[in-house]
Amino acid sequence: QVQLVESGGGVVQPGRSLRLSCAASGFTFSSFDMHWVRQAPGKELEWLAFISYDGSQKYYADSVKGRFTISRDNSKHTLYLQMNSLTTEDTAFYYCARDHDYIWGDYRFNWFDPWGQGTRVTVSS
Amino acid sequence: DIRMTQSPSSLSASVGDRVTITCRASQNISNYLNWYQQKPGKAPKILIYAASSLQSGVPSRFSGSGSGTGFTLTISSLQPEDFANYCCQQSFSIPYTFGQGTKLEIK
Repeated sequence: QVQLVESGGGVVQPGRSLRLSCAASGFTFSSFDMHWVRQAPGKELEWLAFISYDGSQKYYADSVKGRFTISRDNSKHTLYLQMNSLTTEDTAFYYCARDHDYIWGDYRFNWFDPWGQGTRVTVSS
Repeated sequence: DIRMTQSPSSLSASVGDRVTITCRASQNISNYLNWYQQKPGKAPKILIYAASSLQSGVPSRFSGSGSGTGFTLTISSLQPEDFANYCCQQSFSIPYTFGQGTKLEIK
């Protein structure tokens, strides 16, 4: 079945780096755009980054632009999020999600499906 | 950025009740609106996409409506497994943004 499994979370000091991975299975990974989304404790979901199916297009939320880098290795069916200069504000559950779309005429509707189970990142001294 | 505002932030209801959750966008997003359900400790699950299209496998008691800036998610007859958090998300433009969520609790 379609599955996404994140890994790489943990406790890290402010200013340090962490790399998250998201292993995909059950679908043709190289054909799908992908996203990272996070949820801080008690906060709403926050979209972080997008990467196109071939890695040629990347977009970021302002809150992480210049600090986080999304990438993918289609040969390994794996999505990554390199997180640098971490602050306590980055403490959250991090989810990877597949972009799923529906084309109706000239319109393209997209949503996140499925999501991984999430990996917890705690930034603390 | 497009701001998504949900109401209410929490809601108490009983099994069998009909409930409606509202999501408002800060600008016209046509029908680029998705609804998710999230249970504690679990990842969000898509319920409704494009404002009113039911995701495959989602029970028909869930429905969505609206266009432009105002949207609703309706559960026609609450079941025990429906007590969860619900949030809306706009896919009109990047950065994609979510509502703050509605916690649906058992009365």
